[in-house]
Amino acid sequence: QVQLQESGPGQVKPSETLSLTCNVSGGSISSYYWSWIRQTPGKGLEWIGYIYNSGTTKYNPSLKSRVSMSVDTSKNQFSLKLTSVTAADTAVYYCATTALSLVPGAVGYYFKYWGQGTLVSVSS
Amino acid sequence: QSVLTQPPSVSGAPGQRVTISCTGNNANIGAGYDVHWYQKLPGTAPKLLIYGNNNRPSGVPDRFSGSKSGTSASLAITGLQAEDEADYYCQSCDRSLSSSLFGGGTKLTVL
Repeated sequence: QVQLQESGPGQVKPSETLSLTCNVSGGSISSYYWSWIRQTPGKGLEWIGYIYNSGTTKYNPSLKSRVSMSVDTSKNQFSLKLTSVTAADTAVYYCATTALSLVPGAVGYYFKYWGQGTLVSVSS
Repeated sequence: QSVLTQPPSVSGAPGQRVTISCTGNNANIGAGYDVHWYQKLPGTAPKLLIYGNNNRPSGVPDRFSGSKSGTSASLAITGLQAEDEADYYCQSCDRSLSSSLFGGGTKLTVL
């Protein structure tokens, strides 16, 4: 079974960049799509985006201008960067495997394995 | 306000059956996108409970089942147990928003 573990600073200053890494074990980074999801007290669960091994990405339009994701196959890990953070970005951030859910005319996806989550607070 | 609407809370006694609804629109559930369900216990990561509307991952008891019709979906839990007390979230995708969506979550209380 795939296991995921998030890591990164627990506190980021407003206007700076949030950077998190998800370490993958029990499976190859090349075998799945990978997502970042966050949970905030005010907005519940929010999908941030996904990345595939080839570098293909898809981001939530509401965050797209501030988000970037990357994969490091040599380390079996993938990363999230979120720029110009504000207090509204304070959340528990999860990484998760992403499986495609194909139906006629539509490509959806869901999240099978999750990391334990890491709390990131935005404050000065 | 989530695009996918769930009741804030439901409750039931041990052994009873409860259902949790998830209502969307013609841009998401009604557009044919599958609905998936997650169970979240306090302080833990969400756990995939149902995928593809009505499929259970290995290890999920058959007390949990899902269904979808039109622009809505439901999660049913039979033979309610104390350990089922948790938050439950539905998830789908939205063509107009070009994004994945989660419902606002439903807190299940076992009386």
